[in-house]
This record gives sequence, C-alpha cells and structure tokens, in this order.
Amino acid sequence: AQSVTQLGSHVSVSEGALVLLRCNYSSSVPPYLFWYVQYPNQGLQLLLKYTSAATLVKGINGFEAEFKKSETSFHLTKPSAHMSDAAEYFCAVSGTGGGNKLTFGTGTQLKVEL
Amino acid sequence: DAGITQSPRHKVTETGTPVTLRCHQTENHRYMYWYRQDPGHGLRLIHYSYGVKDTDKGEVSDGYSVSRSKTEDFLLTLESATSSQTSVYFCAISESGTGGAGELFFGEGSRLTVL
Repeated sequence: AQSVTQLGSHVSVSEGALVLLRCNYSSSVPPYLFWYVQYPNQGLQLLLKYTSAATLVKGINGFEAEFKKSETSFHLTKPSAHMSDAAEYFCAVSGTGGGNKLTFGTGTQLKVEL
Repeated sequence: DAGITQSPRHKVTETGTPVTLRCHQTENHRYMYWYRQDPGHGLRLIHYSYGVKDTDKGEVSDGYSVSRSKTEDFLLTLESATSSQTSVYFCAISESGTGGAGELFFGEGSRLTVL
C-alpha cells in the first residue's frame, strides 16, 4: 500500500523566512503526489500536484515542491513566509489500480511568527 | 468554489443512536468520498463512490455505511454511534478520480460529537 510520512507535526518560522515542510512517500510505482492546505474551520484545498510531467512543481501562493525519486521525497517550500501562510498542510499520494483513493499524511501545522 | 454542501455542520448525539451525514454536490462529478479527520491521524478514507450505486470501502469503514442513489448526493450513516466516531467528517468530490491525478474538492466539514 502507498503511504506518505510527514516529518514534524508542528513547524514554526519567522515572517520572511524560508518555509520547508517535509514529505516522504512509499510507493512501488511512480506515484501522483499532492500538497493540500487547510485553514482553520475549513476544508482542504489543493496547493499543487506532481503528475510526472516535471519534477519541480509550482503551486498557488508562492509554494513549490520538488519530486526526488532517489530520496522518495516531495518537500514543500516557500522562499518567504507570510502570516497568511499559517495553516495545516497535508501531503498525499494517490492509490494505484481502481478506486482513485488518496492517502494523506498526518499533517504539519505551520506557525508564522512576527 | 466547488459546490459542495455538507449537512449537518455540527451534531451532538448519544452513544447507540443512528446518525446520517449528507453530502450534496452541484458539480456533477463522478467520484465522491467521505473522510474523517482526527488529530495525529490526518484524514482517513471511510468510503468512496465511483458512480450511482457504486461504492467501496476505505481504510476505516467499520461502523459506517454509505449510499448514493443519485449523482449529487452521498450519504454516510453511522448505524449505532460510538464515542470513537467523534470526529470531523469531510466530503470530497473529484471529476476524474485521484488515480488520474484528479483534484479533490472538499466540503467544509461536519463536526460530530458522540457522548
């Protein structure tokens, strides 16, 4: 079964600093990988997705992620954090075969401090 | 915003009572999903549907059943609620399914408390 592991349940950065949220995947076949963001009391929304077209994927709000097969990683980065980036971030991997099931990581809460 | 409505948004119930959560979409998407979100567990798939009357189990389906009699509605039923089912439940929809790298669109969630 495919899975993702998010390292660090809580990450705190200063406003203007680099944001790095880590995600490692486990998959026997090339996966589809996703990053979703959840703001307080809301549902999740897609930040970006990897579909094998390009290893560096750019998403909304200045976020990007790089697929590294050798490291089985798909870390999320943003050069300069903004207060509005404070939210919970989820990495996810799609299942193979039928069903189109998405498996989520346990999430990383990002705090942005002045 | 994707047209997804979950009801009720908040519910408090007692152990042993039946509960039904409703997800209604106006996007005519084929795939619909029910997830539960719990601290430390992220989101876990309960059941999903790939068409009218076509459903399958997710990783945490015990104690839950679903029905989809028309494209726009996907119902999640707890036949006899237990305290372990206290959670936030999210409905999601997808046009092409995530196996085709399709995006999931989420509702705003239904917070269920079982006393």
